[in-house]
Amino acid sequence: GIQVEQSPPDLILQEGANSTLRCNFSDSVNNLQWFHQNPWGQLINLFYIPSGTKQNGRLSATTVATERYSLLYISSSQTTDSGVYFCAVGNFGNEKLTFGTGTRLTIIP
Amino acid sequence: NAGVMQNPRHLVRRRGQEARLRCSPMKGHSHVYWYRQLPEEGLKFMVYLQKENIIDESGMPKERFSAEFPKEGPSILRIQQVVRGDSAAYFCASSPALNTEAFFGQGTRLTVV
Repeated sequence: GIQVEQSPPDLILQEGANSTLRCNFSDSVNNLQWFHQNPWGQLINLFYIPSGTKQNGRLSATTVATERYSLLYISSSQTTDSGVYFCAVGNFGNEKLTFGTGTRLTIIP
Repeated sequence: NAGVMQNPRHLVRRRGQEARLRCSPMKGHSHVYWYRQLPEEGLKFMVYLQKENIIDESGMPKERFSAEFPKEGPSILRIQQVVRGDSAAYFCASSPALNTEAFFGQGTRLTVV
């Protein structure tokens, strides 16, 4: 099956810093989503982005499907951004999402 | 439009008991997925269902686990004779069609004592 790798595994930043999270995948995809799992365990949809670039406030994401990677950018980090960020992909003929192992982001005041 | 609703949020079962986890998809969504998250790990696919049909159960353990999505009512994930290793967070997701954005419920945290 498709492999999904996320980097870095852990990231500790001061409030106000910017960050880039990366997701590499091993095969063509027709579905890619970014999620934020907050400290209470809730999964929050950030982006549905099988290709192209999207922005939502301080967050933006880019997926380069031909090169099999996606990037999540977080600008001006806030403590509420802390948690685990997951990338999940689905490929043709396979409706399930395969999750990466996540990037644990800790924002220090 | 209410999101994906899961209940209960927390469930404690003794070894050997049965656990029933419920999921009501978002309105207009006919595709339901169940995932399991072990502590400190990512989510792992278990099963994909449409109304009255199991489409893909490749991630389901061969024994003790079953899932259904009846014509009326929520989707149910059933775990018989639970063991300590079943302790995990179980998430349900729904989507309106194939290859579209999936939305997740808040999860059911199962603890087996």
